[in-house]
This record gives sequence, C-alpha cells and structure tokens, in this order.
Amino acid sequence: AQTVTQSQPEMSVQEAETVTLSCTYDTSESDYYLFWYKQPPSRQMILVIRQEAYKQQNATENRFSVNFQKAAKSFSLKISDSQLGDAAMYFCASNTGANSKLTFGKGITLSVRP
Amino acid sequence: DTGVSQDPRHKITKRGQNVTFRCDPISEHNRLYWYRQTLGQGPEFLTYFQNEAQLEKSRLLSDRFSAERPKGSFSTLEIQRTEQGDSAMYLCASSSNTLSYNEQFFGPGTRLTVL
Repeated sequence: AQTVTQSQPEMSVQEAETVTLSCTYDTSESDYYLFWYKQPPSRQMILVIRQEAYKQQNATENRFSVNFQKAAKSFSLKISDSQLGDAAMYFCASNTGANSKLTFGKGITLSVRP
Repeated sequence: DTGVSQDPRHKITKRGQNVTFRCDPISEHNRLYWYRQTLGQGPEFLTYFQNEAQLEKSRLLSDRFSAERPKGSFSTLEIQRTEQGDSAMYLCASSSNTLSYNEQFFGPGTRLTVL
C-alpha cells in the first residue's frame, strides 16, 4: 500500500517570493509516479507537475519545480515568483502504474500575501 | 472539449434517502475514477472503470454504494440509505491510456450534505 504524508497544514508566502511545500511518501513498488495537484477555492483540481520515479532529473514546469529525493522518499514542490493566483490547496499524490488510482496526502493550504 | 462535468453540483438530502450522481468524462477517455473528499482531507479513492468494466473498488465503497458506467461513457454513483457520514465532496476524474499520459482530469465535484 502507498501512503503520502503532508505534515504542514498551512503555509504563507509573500507575493514574488519562493515557497517550498513538503511531501513524503512510502511505497514498496519500484515503479511509481508522483504528482502535485492544485485545488483553488471552489474550483476543480488541476495537475501542477508530475515526476516519474525512474527519472533522476527533477521535473520543472515554468515557475514550479520539484526536489525528488528517492532514497529519502521525499517530493517537495518549489513555487518561484509566487503570484496571488497560486493561493490554493496543494495535494501531493502518487500512483503505481500509469493511469491507476491516486493516493493523496491531506493537502496544504497556501496563502499568498500581496 | 469541455472537460469533466458532474451533476448535480450540490445535493442536500435527509438521512435514509437514496442519491445518485452523474459524471461525464472527457470524450474518448477510457478510464473514469470516483474519489471522496471530506473537509480538510485529501481525496480518497472509491472505484474506477476502464471503459464499462469496473476494475477496482475500495474498501470504503460499502454495500450501500454502487457505481456503473454502462456504455463506457458517463458514470453514475448511487448511495442508498444515506448516512450523515456520507456527507462529503464526490469527485470524478478521467484519463486516457494514450492521451495526456498518466494525468487524471478532475471534475468540479458534487457536494453531498446528509441531514
């Protein structure tokens, strides 16, 4: 069974600054995938970034990047140049095998101060 | 393509009543998933379909819950004899084995309140 842990319930960042959201996971599988999803208030969840476990290179999508530490089973999300629109709940998730069920963490609420 | 849609967006019911939710996935997505999200928690997997076949069900899906995807397109999730503990947001997602590799697209959810 997979588990995903997000221990920080809330974080706050000043607009234009950088913030890092933490996530740890546990799995017995060798082939798995990790994700960060964003859920804005009253809006649907969207994928922010995805990392395949077999890839050593950290994924990057514009202002979003991850720090994937496979041995430590850590998968943190860095948001650079934070914008007001980044305010949302962020969920770390994983699955084993493409298009299989996702296991989510509890999420973290990110607020952005103008 | 209008994305994943869910109906209704909100449902208030009395304990003991039956409710049914509908999900329309992105066209040509062959996989469809149901998740449940309670306040302050991440979504929890309930079940998923590949085309019309239900491939996996969570232990969370008690006998009062049933899901169908009769023609491999839209899906319904029915809860019989609702209980207050069923109050949650029910999320639907879809994905394709060939398009947008390993990305699930989520709908807006149906918020259920059981009085």
